[in-house]
Amino acid sequence: DTGVSQNPRHKITKRGQNVTFRCDPISEHNRLYWYRQTLGQGPEFLTYFQNEAQLEKSRLLSDRFSAERPKGSFSTLEIQRTEQGDSAMYLCASSPPDRGYTFGSGTRLTVV
Amino acid sequence: EDQVTQSPEALRLQEGESSSLNCSYTVSGLRGLFWYRQDPGKGPEFLFTLYSAGEEKEKERLKATLTKKESFLHITAPKPEDSATYLCAIRLPGGYQKVTFGTGTKLQVIP
Repeated sequence: DTGVSQNPRHKITKRGQNVTFRCDPISEHNRLYWYRQTLGQGPEFLTYFQNEAQLEKSRLLSDRFSAERPKGSFSTLEIQRTEQGDSAMYLCASSPPDRGYTFGSGTRLTVV
Repeated sequence: EDQVTQSPEALRLQEGESSSLNCSYTVSGLRGLFWYRQDPGKGPEFLFTLYSAGEEKEKERLKATLTKKESFLHITAPKPEDSATYLCAIRLPGGYQKVTFGTGTKLQVIP
């Protein structure tokens, strides 16, 4: 069990650019989640995958955001045409059914 | 509306001074209440899951309890290494898998 791995740890991008983050969950966990956290706030739900199927999406996930989990393994979160309001920590988590999450260390995005 | 409310927002304790953090929720039919610890710049670390009123879980100096309207995280004789933000989260009824987090309590334990 090597934990949940997220890359990159930090990303600085110019407004309007596209960015992609990667998450490698714990291998035996079939459930994967993306959350976003801003300073002083709790994590906010973005989307949930069970295996390769994306089963829940938040209203926060506008059409500029897309997430994939090909073959039910790693996942990517892409943000197109980034805006300054997208600056946040993007957290990935995985879990077995109906158990607590194991979070990664997150990707901190700064849009300048 | 806020479904999960944590209080206080911040708490400063002397080492050894026991206290409790509160998490209140407004939904019925809860499918799990979770406590996490988060250190600065890191992802939350899972502590406990509680499913039904009256349930209690313990880990070292931490004890979590659950009633029909709220949960408490009791910290007994805290040490400086217990300093962190403690997050509460609930899983809503209706088959959803996501959990909804509160804004956390930032705990500082002073030597």
